Amino acid sequence: GAVVSQHPSWVICKSGTSVKIECRSLDFQATTMFWYRQFPKQSLMLMATSNEGSKATYEQGVEKDKFLINHASLTLSTLTVTSAHPEDSSFYICSARDQSGGSSPLHFGNGTRLTVT
Amino acid sequence: DAKTTQPNSMESNEEEPVHLPCNHSTISGTDYIHWYRQLPSQGPEYVIHGLTSNVNNRMASLAIAEDRKSSTLILHRATLRDAAVYYCILRDHTGNQFYFGTGTSLTVIP
Repeated sequence: GAVVSQHPSWVICKSGTSVKIECRSLDFQATTMFWYRQFPKQSLMLMATSNEGSKATYEQGVEKDKFLINHASLTLSTLTVTSAHPEDSSFYICSARDQSGGSSPLHFGNGTRLTVT
Repeated sequence: DAKTTQPNSMESNEEEPVHLPCNHSTISGTDYIHWYRQLPSQGPEYVIHGLTSNVNNRMASLAIAEDRKSSTLILHRATLRDAAVYYCILRDHTGNQFYFGTGTSLTVIP
């Protein structure tokens, strides 16, 4: 089946630094990728939708200058958390689909646990 | 996206069937019903999806009400590895965006 690889699986960084998370579709081309954030014991919250070659669409309340998304190829999207602070500590998950339409399932990465000290 | 309502938690004995309900009374005619599950510290995993007819796959069955305002995910024989949070999600015909509700946390008792 379709595989989405997310890297790193965990990262610890100091407050004020930036962290980049990669999301790759390994055996399919993903025209659209989605980025989620999940706090402990809560559901996934959609942050943004990225389409290959165009600017990402951010959900209301998500700062696009803080969470930079790049989707430069059909197999790679990156999320950069800029000037990270302890409140940005969370579980970040990406997903991708290999075709458009409501019937196509999403394929998820295994998430990146970010801890900002 | 139309909203879904699920019980916060359910329990099942190992090797018994589990019926996980989902209400989606505002579903539109072109919305697909998707189910995903998430194990601790992992990304969600696709389980099954359907539009109008009941669906079966190797993981589960999906029973969709005739008026489509509710659906039930059926795990035929629960195992300890099925303990997870199960999410019922509606996707429109474009497939754009994908919002998660609160999900049902399933506990499987040995």
